[in-house]
Amino acid sequence: DTGVSQDPRHKITKRGQNVTFRCDPISEHNRLYWYRQTLGQGPEFLTYFQNEAQLEKSRLLSDRFSAERPKGSFSTLEIQRTEQGDSAMYLCASRRLVDGETQYFGPGTRLLVL
Amino acid sequence: LAKTTQPISMDSYEGQEVNITCSHNNIATNDYITWYQQFPSQGPRFIIQGYKTKVTNEVASLFIPADRKSSTLSLPRVSLSDTAVYYCLVGDGRGSYIPTFGRGTSLIVHP
Repeated sequence: DTGVSQDPRHKITKRGQNVTFRCDPISEHNRLYWYRQTLGQGPEFLTYFQNEAQLEKSRLLSDRFSAERPKGSFSTLEIQRTEQGDSAMYLCASRRLVDGETQYFGPGTRLLVL
Repeated sequence: LAKTTQPISMDSYEGQEVNITCSHNNIATNDYITWYQQFPSQGPRFIIQGYKTKVTNEVASLFIPADRKSSTLSLPRVSLSDTAVYYCLVGDGRGSYIPTFGRGTSLIVHP
């Protein structure tokens, strides 16, 4: 257990539905990252926050994807109008700025879109 | 954006030392080199990080030559539980840095 939690761990939804995932980082970590990972591939960067500011969101896969981090604590990733191609593992990671590239990952949320 | 190249897969046997090399020819002056381990259906786990020469912790060693264009993760006396995917990343973690994982190296340890 790294101290980063994600909820839910698994989500099954029907195509066209909206889903929201939550990430609770380690409390003193000011950077929070979202990744998507498909089978056989490494984690693919989606977006990141420094405290409550979303500093990079150009890598979000489409305008159906959005993320928030109100008050610089937990974060949510929402996918609207889900498609079967959205089926993947969604990972959250957090770190302190002083820790170089050391990220602490949560267990992930596995999404299956039917 | 620094790019890394690793072998796709490696095989080893219990008790052997495993060395996984990562090439990062475009590494920048301020970049660190970080290695992660990932088991199926889990998030990646930090293993080790270094900037130059050699770094050792309780699970691995990281060797970085003077030109820093490559690095080698060394796992001493592997066991079956070391079967996982290993990723190397380079970056300074600051500014507009975007972590890029690549496909990693799938290590299979045989009995």
